[in-house]
Amino acid sequence: DTGVSQDPRHKITKRGQNVTFRCDPISEHNRLYWYRQTLGQGPEFLTYFQNEAQLEKSRLLSDRFSAERPKGSFSTLEIQRTEQGDSAMYLCASSPEARAFRAFFGQGTRLTVV
Amino acid sequence: AQSVTQLDSQVPVFEEAPVELRCNYSSSVSVYLFWYVQYPNQGLQLLLKYLSGSTLVKGINGFEAEFNKSQTSFHLRKPSVHISDTAEYFCAVSDSRGQGGSEKLVFGKGTKLTVNP
Repeated sequence: DTGVSQDPRHKITKRGQNVTFRCDPISEHNRLYWYRQTLGQGPEFLTYFQNEAQLEKSRLLSDRFSAERPKGSFSTLEIQRTEQGDSAMYLCASSPEARAFRAFFGQGTRLTVV
Repeated sequence: AQSVTQLDSQVPVFEEAPVELRCNYSSSVSVYLFWYVQYPNQGLQLLLKYLSGSTLVKGINGFEAEFNKSQTSFHLRKPSVHISDTAEYFCAVSDSRGQGGSEKLVFGKGTKLTVNP
């Protein structure tokens, strides 16, 4: 399968714990995007990378959130001191060029904070 | 800044009936317009896009949408739906300014289309 891969698919964590998600983009896609989708809402942009450089961050990305893309390949999204409001589907997408609509989306990581 | 309003959160229809899913947007800059589909337990898939040119755009699975600049609308239509069209549909916009513009997609809240036999 050469699509966008996200791991884990599901994560249940206790409030206050740290969690980390991984996204493996399609090979040679230099753009990588993170979105968050809460129940009853559409996906909301969090951040994106061009290769290893993080070029834009949403105000939704509080100081408890950090994203990295070392070496411009896979990316990780870490949430520290999780809160119940962090419960959501975290979507990753990658694109071969500077147009978000060319992006292919992964199946997402569903986070539940209890 | 851009925003997208999908006027119907749920649309139930019978198989082979026509359907229209409504979308309005607002933006202070020129935008591209899109419809995405999300089947259960699957990622978002691009259904169709409007970048420029003809205001009627055709997408996959027999869907089409019409861009109306004066009404800032981009409604999605299909003349005859199938059970397999049951999914959630998202309207989205992105900045069309190129370099210097944001690359993010701004989505509506989604419309859940349920096709009944």
